[in-house]
Amino acid sequence: EIVLTQSPGTLSLSPGERATLSCRASQSLDSTYLAWYQQKPGQAPRLLIYGAFSRATGIPDRFSGSRSGTDFTLTISRLEPEDFAVYYCQQYGSSPFTFGPGTKVEIK
Amino acid sequence: QVQLVQSGAEVKKPGASVKVSCKASGYTFTNYYMHWVRQAPGQGFEWMGMINPRGANTNYAQKFQGRVTMTRDTSTSTVYMELSSLRSEDTAVYYCARSSGYYEEIDIWGQGTMVTVSS
Repeated sequence: EIVLTQSPGTLSLSPGERATLSCRASQSLDSTYLAWYQQKPGQAPRLLIYGAFSRATGIPDRFSGSRSGTDFTLTISRLEPEDFAVYYCQQYGSSPFTFGPGTKVEIK
Repeated sequence: QVQLVQSGAEVKKPGASVKVSCKASGYTFTNYYMHWVRQAPGQGFEWMGMINPRGANTNYAQKFQGRVTMTRDTSTSTVYMELSSLRSEDTAVYYCARSSGYYEEIDIWGQGTMVTVSS
């Protein structure tokens, strides 16, 4: 199965700063099949990015996705107070459709 | 609006089974696959499998093969996930979530159902 590794585990930043989150796949993965989700405490996840690059409906343009080889990146250009949460990547190109362990973005 | 509404919390003893339901509304039920994903307390997500409501075809993660059964009732737009031979490690929040195709992103999640396995 494809193992996803996310880094860092925790990111401590201030509102207005830029956040860069990484997700690395253990084997080659087509960009078409990589998503990013946001989860806040006590809530279900929310889809942010699909196909590595495409923003989901209603997602602000401060969220963007990119890729370099087997490394995928979620960038939040300027953190808003509501962006402090845990972020997960998921691949859905090869069953089982695995998730990364998550990156927590916390207020510094 | 599109909604997935799951059944309520469950407490089960080790060795028992649990059946969680997920009722879909606001879209054509048979046009979307349904996944089941679980999250143990304080942990990440584990994909359990999926069902195609149109033909009831399933794809289970190997880890859960033989213990999980996913079914659907098209008359009520409801999918079910039954997990048997429960152990303490199965304590988790179980989510249903839909995707528009087999290799498509999950776009809508249910609210989650807490299943606690304890003697």
